[in-house]
Amino acid sequence: DAGVIQSPRHEVTEMGQEVTLRCKPISGHNSLFWYRQTMMRGLELLIYFNNNVPIDDSGMPEDRFSAKMPNASFSTLKIQPSEPRDSAVYFCASSLGDRGLGYGYTFGSGTRLTVV
Amino acid sequence: RKEVEQDPGPFNVPEGATVAFNCTYSNSASQSFFWYRQDCRKEPKLLMSVYSSGNEDGRFTAQLNRASQYISLLIRDSKLSDSATYLCVVGHSGGGADGLTFGKGTHLIIQP
Repeated sequence: DAGVIQSPRHEVTEMGQEVTLRCKPISGHNSLFWYRQTMMRGLELLIYFNNNVPIDDSGMPEDRFSAKMPNASFSTLKIQPSEPRDSAVYFCASSLGDRGLGYGYTFGSGTRLTVV
Repeated sequence: RKEVEQDPGPFNVPEGATVAFNCTYSNSASQSFFWYRQDCRKEPKLLMSVYSSGNEDGRFTAQLNRASQYISLLIRDSKLSDSATYLCVVGHSGGGADGLTFGKGTHLIIQP
């Protein structure tokens, strides 16, 4: 099993540019999560999908952020326009079951985003 | 009160020593509990689940105290490779944005 695959690993972009982060969950996992991690705030849940449907996006900071999951094997997180305060590591995670309560999550290796 | 609280450390411990740290949680209806390990510039990885009766995996022992709402992690005979940040994770169903809530982690440094 290849695990959760994220791309790109690193992204440096200028303020105002559009950024798209990509994630391929583990095959057979029906829950997918996007997290953001910073030193100050730790891991923050941005959005949760179950069976490709967005269930909870209350963690999405503002309208500049959007996420999609067109099929069971692919999800994107888009930031448009990007701002320096968006600089963080963005993790995608997947799990079996509803919210992975009994199983825990498997994380991808993350995308380190720097907005200058 | 934060949902999941941990002492951020760092805990500086000599190699071979035993180290323990706790985590407290605020939601008494929490149902699932985990410890994750995160190495510098890497993703969090599941270390072990925490069961009501307590459980052990090699040098690692996890315990749950529901009455006091805390979980603990004990590491015996610590190795240099145990240096990492340990994240306490608590899960509950029904309401809220998070099925699993992550603490900010306890930073452990094992010194030779």
